[in-house]
Amino acid sequence: DAGITQSPRHKVTETGTPVTLRCHQTENHRYMYWYRQDPGHGLRLIHYSYGVKDTDKGEVSDGYSVSRSKTEDFLLTLESATSSQTSVYFCAIRPTARSYNEQFFGPGTRLTVL
Amino acid sequence: DQQVKQNSPSLSVQEGRISILNCDYTNSMFDYFLWYKKYPAEGPTFLISISSIKDKNEDGRFTVFLNKSAKHLSLHIVPSQPGDSAVYFCAAGMGTDKLIFGTGTRLQVFP
Repeated sequence: DAGITQSPRHKVTETGTPVTLRCHQTENHRYMYWYRQDPGHGLRLIHYSYGVKDTDKGEVSDGYSVSRSKTEDFLLTLESATSSQTSVYFCAIRPTARSYNEQFFGPGTRLTVL
Repeated sequence: DQQVKQNSPSLSVQEGRISILNCDYTNSMFDYFLWYKKYPAEGPTFLISISSIKDKNEDGRFTVFLNKSAKHLSLHIVPSQPGDSAVYFCAAGMGTDKLIFGTGTRLQVFP
């Protein structure tokens, strides 16, 4: 158990509304990641963070923003949700002591945009 | 441009037999490779990793083989058990920041 929680676990929203997903960790890991999982695409990196206020884009960052004001929380925001953002979103952390960037994932948030 | 590919979307294996999951990659600069297992409604779980300087790593029933000349890695599960039924993702990385995942292979182990 990597001490990662995600909230909410399920959300249904309408096109055009803002949505914020929260990832919370209890072990002060420096690196945190947001992925989305879609059929036929596997896991794709949206944004990641390597410290408080330090973030960078992944391969599918358009339409998403992130913030990390505290070590334990990494927020993913969809400013104006679209149906193409219907997906399962996973947060992950990377303990710095690991050799090969082993990342440990939260339980996921299933987001449906109608 | 998909740098990590899992060309078999599904695999069905009888309990007790060997399961072999395959993964191909295109970037020869990857430093390491990992395998994850994912059950429905759960996050992916790390299984096993291998450095690009090795050709084999073993952990219990799980063995990962790396063939750098072919840019191919495989995960062997012996013996397969019903609890191994899940989606398996391979991933590759270089440096310390990002992983690139394949599209996954669904393994079903039947009695």
